[in-house]
Amino acid sequence: DAGVTQSPTHLIKTRGQHVTLRCSPISGHKSVSWYQQVLGQGPQFIFQYYEKEERGRGNFPDRFSARQFPNYSSELNVNALLLGDSALYLCASSLEGRMNTGELFFGEGSRLTVL
Amino acid sequence: GESVGLHLPTLSVQEGDNSIINCAYSNSASDYFIWYKQESGKGPQFIIDIRSNMDKRQGQRVTVLLNKTVKHLSLQIAATQPGDSAVYFCAESSGGYNKLIFGAGTRLAVHP
Repeated sequence: DAGVTQSPTHLIKTRGQHVTLRCSPISGHKSVSWYQQVLGQGPQFIFQYYEKEERGRGNFPDRFSARQFPNYSSELNVNALLLGDSALYLCASSLEGRMNTGELFFGEGSRLTVL
Repeated sequence: GESVGLHLPTLSVQEGDNSIINCAYSNSASDYFIWYKQESGKGPQFIIDIRSNMDKRQGQRVTVLLNKTVKHLSLQIAATQPGDSAVYFCAESSGGYNKLIFGAGTRLAVHP
């Protein structure tokens, strides 16, 4: 079975542009979470979606938005890109919405570079 | 691939030795803890977890210890192998919806 898949794997944008990152969870998983990992640091929570509803949001500006589709795939959108948005964006999926009920499986990430 | 942790603390061990990676967590209300391994260019990989009603849990070659009194978590890897070389993160959750708070990470370097 395929794991969590993310696209694109790498992309380069310039300041002020917009980016859309995509994630397909493991088959049967209903929850998708997004994390930002700046080089040299641990991942930071951005969003969680469960059953197509936003269930949690981290300390990120409104330039960051996301949604989950009926097939449980998800998109992360970032508007008005800043240099500081350069990072590895990780998507993670789980069967259910609450951490205590299972593992969180991460994808390989989308490496965004903002010039 | 690009390095995950250029400025992380590094633990260097000899192949075959036991490794102990430590982590201090921040929220006394956290009730679920996970250790992840992240190799260069890859996403974090689940290693082992522990709930707050336990103080020790063992897996294959790995043991996690939890000390809630001092908010400390450790990961012990027995008979460390070159394939264990990676950055290791602890993460905590307070029962919320998949919101994990990750620690800063430790790079484990295994030398033959």
